[in-house]
Amino acid sequence: GESVGLHLPTLSVQEGDNSIINCAYSNSASDYFIWYKQESGKGPQFIIDIRSNMDKRQGQRVTVLLNKTVKHLSLQIAATQPGDSAVYFCAENGSSYKLIFGSGTRLLVRP
Amino acid sequence: DTAVSQTPKYLVTQMGNDKSIKCEQNLGHDTMYWYKQDSKKFLKIMFSYNNKELIINETVPNRFSPKSPDKAHLNLHINSLELGDSAVYFCASSQLRQGYTFGSGTRLTVV
Repeated sequence: GESVGLHLPTLSVQEGDNSIINCAYSNSASDYFIWYKQESGKGPQFIIDIRSNMDKRQGQRVTVLLNKTVKHLSLQIAATQPGDSAVYFCAENGSSYKLIFGSGTRLLVRP
Repeated sequence: DTAVSQTPKYLVTQMGNDKSIKCEQNLGHDTMYWYKQDSKKFLKIMFSYNNKELIINETVPNRFSPKSPDKAHLNLHINSLELGDSAVYFCASSQLRQGYTFGSGTRLTVV
């Protein structure tokens, strides 16, 4: 069945270091991918997206990489800050209207 | 102005009761969703409405009945609440599979 998964449930990084959060997806028909950040008590917040015709997209301090060959997605956060501490989700969208979410990775930033 | 707003934020109720959660979006999006987030943070789609019409029903028990009076509103009514219904429910909206935006969630606790 369709599934989106993450390799690491919890990631702890030192403030100022770069963070990499990984995600594997199984539906090769998915053509749109989104990374969300969820802080405690809040809803998922859009970070960055990428379409399947691209393999890299950059935002402010964030980069998403897409490897369609191995169905892998990653989120890189440069110079991680305490405010980056949250749960991060990847989500995929195929031909239907629904977003399918991965299980989430908790990012902890050590001061 | 909040893009996707849902009420109430917290809801504590007894087993067997009937309750409703309301959602409104002011983004002009055509599609609205309800997602359920369990205690392990897993986000799963429940329903999707496009222009007031149901397009996705992910085998949710028929105790859950969504209603969309217009494309800016998608309410969720739950009959005969059970302990297992305790979760955080998120409303979301999108336009043509883009711009997925989530509300801040409703934490439902059934006692």
